[in-house]
Amino acid sequence: QSALTQPASVSGSPGQSITISCTGTSSDVGGYNYVSWYQQHPGKAPKLMIYEVSNRPSGVPDRFSGSKSGNTASLTISGLQAEDEADYYCSSYTSSSTHYVFGTGTKVTVL
Amino acid sequence: EVQLVESGGGLVQPGGSLRLSCAASGFTVSSNYMSWVRQAPGKGLEWVSVIYSGGSTYYADSVKGRFTISRDNSKNTLYLQMNSLRAEDTAVYYCARAGPAAPRSFDYWGQGTLVTVSS
Repeated sequence: QSALTQPASVSGSPGQSITISCTGTSSDVGGYNYVSWYQQHPGKAPKLMIYEVSNRPSGVPDRFSGSKSGNTASLTISGLQAEDEADYYCSSYTSSSTHYVFGTGTKVTVL
Repeated sequence: EVQLVESGGGLVQPGGSLRLSCAASGFTVSSNYMSWVRQAPGKGLEWVSVIYSGGSTYYADSVKGRFTISRDNSKNTLYLQMNSLRAEDTAVYYCARAGPAAPRSFDYWGQGTLVTVSS
């Protein structure tokens, strides 16, 4: 099971919107609405930001939104803030024998 | 309050064994899907293993046959037995809960425990 593909880095200025893509296959991203997104600050544990493609857990700002089209899922951060600078990972359930797969990760920089 | 606290990490020689523990509070381990996820130094997240509430277990290809996930319901604790360790197993190991409302997502994570495989 190969990792889902994400851009290595994305940057934006405060207040702007950015979008991170997560590309898989019909066996994972495209086949199930079980895409999640995690935020990780340096030295910290990951934090769930989006689950089941587009749902936000309680406490996650509505600046974070998720979507999916075919085999590609996306995380959009609107109104970018300094504290959004972190690494972001997507994950998906997969029909392979391993059941779960993470993306390669994207470093978000706030200029 | 949901909490996950890992322990058991450390330095081990190649070919050696280590058992990681993840003590849970605020919920019942056996009623949830529980996973181990690892992160090599400077690298991304890698899913390692899952144990479902029914007891079924699954593993990443990279650890299959060497690692075993289990739980002790009386202690509300998750374990990862790691055998035949290799240098490439060096990582911070996190335990994570798949929440009951979204069982394919990890809503709570421990702080992680570092495993270093080196001679």
